[in-house]
Amino acid sequence: GAVVSQHPSWVICKSGTSVKIECRSLDFQATTMFWYRQFPKQSLMLMATSNEGSKATYEQGVEKDKFLINHASLTLSTLTVTSAHPEDSSFYICSAHRVRETQYFGPGTRLLVL
Amino acid sequence: SQQGEEDPQALSIQEGENATMNCSYKTSINNLQWYRQNSGRGLVHLILIRSNEREKHSGRLRVTLDTSKKSSSLLITASRAADTASYFCATDSGYALNFGKGTSLLVTP
Repeated sequence: GAVVSQHPSWVICKSGTSVKIECRSLDFQATTMFWYRQFPKQSLMLMATSNEGSKATYEQGVEKDKFLINHASLTLSTLTVTSAHPEDSSFYICSAHRVRETQYFGPGTRLLVL
Repeated sequence: SQQGEEDPQALSIQEGENATMNCSYKTSINNLQWYRQNSGRGLVHLILIRSNEREKHSGRLRVTLDTSKKSSSLLITASRAADTASYFCATDSGYALNFGKGTSLLVTP
Protein backbone atom coordinates (compact mmCIF):
# COMPACT_ATOMS: atom_id res chain seq x y z
CA GLY A 1 0.00 0.00 0.00
CA ALA A 2 0.90 3.65 -0.26
CA VAL A 3 3.23 5.08 2.35
CA VAL A 4 2.90 8.41 4.11
CA SER A 5 5.51 9.59 6.57
CA GLN A 6 5.47 12.31 9.19
CA HIS A 7 8.34 14.05 10.85
CA PRO A 8 8.96 14.42 13.68
CA SER A 9 7.10 11.61 15.39
CA TRP A 10 7.05 13.54 18.63
CA VAL A 11 8.13 16.94 19.84
CA ILE A 12 8.29 18.73 23.17
CA CYS A 13 8.62 22.49 23.10
CA LYS A 14 8.29 25.53 25.31
CA SER A 15 5.22 27.71 25.18
CA GLY A 16 5.56 30.45 22.58
CA THR A 17 7.77 28.57 20.15
CA SER A 18 6.76 27.43 16.68
CA VAL A 19 6.77 23.83 15.58
CA LYS A 20 6.83 22.52 12.02
CA ILE A 21 5.47 19.10 11.14
CA GLU A 22 6.14 17.52 7.76
CA CYS A 23 3.92 15.11 5.92
CA ARG A 24 5.30 13.26 2.91
CA SER A 25 3.78 10.82 0.48
CA LEU A 26 6.69 8.54 -0.28
CA ASP A 27 5.57 6.59 -3.33
CA PHE A 28 2.81 8.62 -4.92
CA GLN A 29 1.87 12.17 -5.71
CA ALA A 30 -0.86 13.78 -3.67
CA THR A 31 -2.53 16.94 -4.85
CA THR A 32 -4.56 16.94 -1.66
CA MET A 33 -3.45 16.26 1.87
CA PHE A 34 -5.48 16.58 5.04
CA TRP A 35 -4.45 17.51 8.56
CA TYR A 36 -6.29 16.09 11.53
CA ARG A 37 -5.94 16.66 15.25
CA GLN A 38 -6.75 14.21 18.00
CA PHE A 39 -6.98 15.13 21.67
CA PRO A 40 -6.64 12.39 24.31
CA LYS A 41 -9.48 9.91 24.32
CA GLN A 42 -11.20 11.72 21.48
CA SER A 43 -11.64 11.12 17.80
CA LEU A 44 -9.83 12.69 14.88
CA MET A 45 -11.05 16.10 13.86
CA LEU A 46 -10.26 17.56 10.48
CA MET A 47 -8.31 20.79 10.77
CA ALA A 48 -7.63 21.73 7.18
CA THR A 49 -7.29 20.58 3.61
CA SER A 50 -3.96 21.24 1.98
CA ASN A 51 -3.96 21.69 -1.80
CA GLU A 52 -0.75 21.74 -3.81
CA GLY A 53 -0.13 25.14 -5.28
CA SER A 54 -2.99 26.90 -3.54
CA LYS A 55 -4.09 28.07 -0.14
CA ALA A 56 -5.28 25.60 2.43
CA THR A 57 -8.92 25.34 3.38
CA TYR A 58 -9.51 25.48 7.11
CA GLU A 59 -12.38 23.97 9.04
CA GLN A 60 -14.55 26.16 11.17
CA GLY A 61 -12.91 27.09 14.43
CA VAL A 62 -9.35 26.43 13.25
CA GLU A 63 -7.20 29.57 13.21
CA LYS A 64 -5.40 29.82 9.90
CA ASP A 65 -2.87 32.28 11.28
CA LYS A 66 -1.96 29.89 14.05
CA PHE A 67 -1.80 26.72 12.00
CA LEU A 68 0.12 27.56 8.85
CA ILE A 69 -0.07 25.02 6.06
CA ASN A 70 2.20 24.93 3.06
CA HIS A 71 1.76 22.36 0.30
CA ALA A 72 4.94 23.10 -1.59
CA SER A 73 5.06 20.02 -3.78
CA LEU A 74 3.01 17.01 -4.75
CA THR A 75 4.70 14.95 -2.05
CA LEU A 76 5.09 17.37 0.84
CA SER A 77 2.78 19.34 3.08
CA THR A 78 3.89 21.10 6.23
CA LEU A 79 1.91 22.23 9.25
CA THR A 80 3.46 24.92 11.42
CA VAL A 81 1.97 25.53 14.83
CA THR A 82 2.93 29.12 15.54
CA SER A 83 3.43 30.39 19.08
CA ALA A 84 2.37 27.06 20.49
CA HIS A 85 0.63 26.94 23.85
CA PRO A 86 -0.17 24.03 26.17
CA GLU A 87 -3.70 23.78 24.78
CA ASP A 88 -2.16 22.98 21.38
CA SER A 89 -0.72 19.78 22.81
CA SER A 90 -2.27 17.04 20.75
CA PHE A 91 -1.70 14.24 18.26
CA TYR A 92 -1.48 15.61 14.73
CA ILE A 93 -2.09 13.21 11.85
CA CYS A 94 -1.88 13.90 8.16
CA SER A 95 -3.30 11.95 5.29
CA ALA A 96 -2.60 12.04 1.58
CA HIS A 97 -5.22 11.43 -1.03
CA ARG A 98 -4.20 9.23 -3.91
CA VAL A 99 -6.23 9.87 -7.06
CA ARG A 100 -9.00 7.31 -7.57
CA GLU A 101 -8.11 5.71 -4.28
CA THR A 102 -8.66 6.58 -0.66
CA GLN A 103 -6.59 8.49 1.82
CA TYR A 104 -3.44 7.11 3.36
CA PHE A 105 -2.53 8.21 6.86
CA GLY A 106 0.79 9.12 8.33
CA PRO A 107 1.87 7.69 11.69
CA GLY A 108 1.13 10.94 13.51
CA THR A 109 3.12 13.53 15.45
CA ARG A 110 2.65 13.95 19.16
CA LEU A 111 3.14 17.53 20.30
CA LEU A 112 3.60 18.47 23.93
CA VAL A 113 3.85 22.14 24.74
CA LEU A 114 5.18 22.93 28.20
CA SER B 1 -18.45 18.09 11.74
CA GLN B 2 -18.20 14.50 12.84
CA GLN B 3 -20.55 12.27 11.01
CA GLY B 4 -19.99 8.75 12.24
CA GLU B 5 -21.21 7.76 15.65
CA GLU B 6 -20.11 4.47 17.10
CA ASP B 7 -21.68 2.44 19.79
CA PRO B 8 -20.93 1.18 22.25
CA GLN B 9 -18.41 3.73 23.51
CA ALA B 10 -16.60 1.00 25.37
CA LEU B 11 -16.73 -2.77 25.23
CA SER B 12 -15.05 -5.34 27.44
CA ILE B 13 -15.01 -9.01 26.48
CA GLN B 14 -12.96 -12.13 27.09
CA GLU B 15 -10.62 -13.74 24.63
CA GLY B 16 -12.41 -15.98 22.19
CA GLU B 17 -15.64 -14.01 22.28
CA ASN B 18 -16.93 -11.95 19.38
CA ALA B 19 -17.00 -8.16 19.46
CA THR B 20 -19.54 -6.11 17.55
CA MET B 21 -19.33 -2.38 17.05
CA ASN B 22 -21.87 -0.23 15.27
CA CYS B 23 -21.56 3.01 13.38
CA SER B 24 -24.26 5.38 12.18
CA TYR B 25 -23.84 8.31 9.84
CA LYS B 26 -25.95 11.09 8.43
CA THR B 27 -25.32 11.81 4.76
CA SER B 28 -24.57 9.99 1.52
CA ILE B 29 -21.21 8.30 1.30
CA ASN B 30 -18.87 6.84 -1.30
CA ASN B 31 -17.47 4.35 1.12
CA LEU B 32 -17.09 3.65 4.81
CA GLN B 33 -13.87 2.58 6.44
CA TRP B 34 -12.91 1.09 9.77
CA TYR B 35 -9.66 1.88 11.52
CA ARG B 36 -7.94 0.62 14.63
CA GLN B 37 -5.79 2.73 16.88
CA ASN B 38 -3.68 1.43 19.69
CA SER B 39 -3.15 3.79 22.60
CA GLY B 40 -1.01 6.73 21.57
CA ARG B 41 -0.30 5.31 18.14
CA GLY B 42 -1.30 5.97 14.55
CA LEU B 43 -4.23 4.60 12.63
CA VAL B 44 -4.31 1.16 11.12
CA HIS B 45 -6.66 0.76 8.19
CA LEU B 46 -8.77 -2.36 8.63
CA ILE B 47 -11.30 -2.49 5.87
CA LEU B 48 -13.14 -0.38 3.32
CA ILE B 49 -16.67 -1.09 2.17
CA ARG B 50 -18.13 0.76 -0.79
CA SER B 51 -21.61 2.18 -0.86
CA ASN B 52 -22.80 -0.50 -3.29
CA GLU B 53 -21.53 -3.34 -1.10
CA ARG B 54 -23.47 -4.87 1.74
CA GLU B 55 -20.94 -7.11 3.41
CA LYS B 56 -17.22 -7.63 3.36
CA HIS B 57 -14.85 -10.01 5.09
CA SER B 58 -11.18 -9.80 5.90
CA GLY B 59 -9.73 -12.50 8.11
CA ARG B 60 -11.55 -12.34 11.45
CA LEU B 61 -13.29 -9.11 10.47
CA ARG B 62 -16.74 -8.85 9.02
CA VAL B 63 -18.22 -5.51 8.04
CA THR B 64 -21.77 -4.82 6.97
CA LEU B 65 -23.22 -1.70 5.45
CA ASP B 66 -26.86 -0.72 5.30
CA THR B 67 -27.14 2.49 3.31
CA SER B 68 -30.91 2.67 3.83
CA LYS B 69 -30.34 2.88 7.56
CA LYS B 70 -27.06 4.73 7.21
CA SER B 71 -25.35 2.27 9.47
CA SER B 72 -22.44 -0.15 9.50
CA SER B 73 -21.21 -2.81 11.85
CA LEU B 74 -17.81 -4.29 12.50
CA LEU B 75 -17.62 -7.81 13.87
CA ILE B 76 -14.37 -9.21 15.22
CA THR B 77 -14.62 -12.94 15.70
CA ALA B 78 -12.61 -15.04 18.15
CA SER B 79 -11.11 -11.94 19.74
CA ARG B 80 -7.60 -11.88 21.11
CA ALA B 81 -5.92 -9.73 23.74
CA ALA B 82 -4.01 -8.06 20.90
CA ASP B 83 -7.31 -6.75 19.52
CA THR B 84 -7.49 -4.36 22.47
CA ALA B 85 -7.59 -0.91 20.88
CA SER B 86 -9.91 1.89 19.85
CA TYR B 87 -11.91 1.34 16.69
CA PHE B 88 -13.19 4.16 14.51
CA CYS B 89 -15.49 4.24 11.55
CA ALA B 90 -14.87 6.93 8.96
CA THR B 91 -17.11 7.97 6.12
CA ASP B 92 -15.83 9.13 2.76
CA SER B 93 -18.14 11.50 0.93
CA GLY B 94 -15.56 12.51 -1.64
CA TYR B 95 -13.77 14.93 0.64
CA ALA B 96 -11.93 14.41 3.89
CA LEU B 97 -12.85 11.44 6.03
CA ASN B 98 -15.29 12.04 8.86
CA PHE B 99 -14.47 10.01 11.91
CA GLY B 100 -16.81 8.76 14.56
CA LYS B 101 -16.07 9.01 18.25
CA GLY B 102 -14.80 5.47 18.41
CA THR B 103 -15.34 2.34 20.43
CA SER B 104 -12.78 1.37 23.02
CA LEU B 105 -12.40 -2.41 23.03
CA LEU B 106 -10.78 -4.30 25.88
CA VAL B 107 -10.13 -8.01 25.42
CA THR B 108 -9.08 -9.76 28.60
CA PRO B 109 -7.25 -13.10 28.67
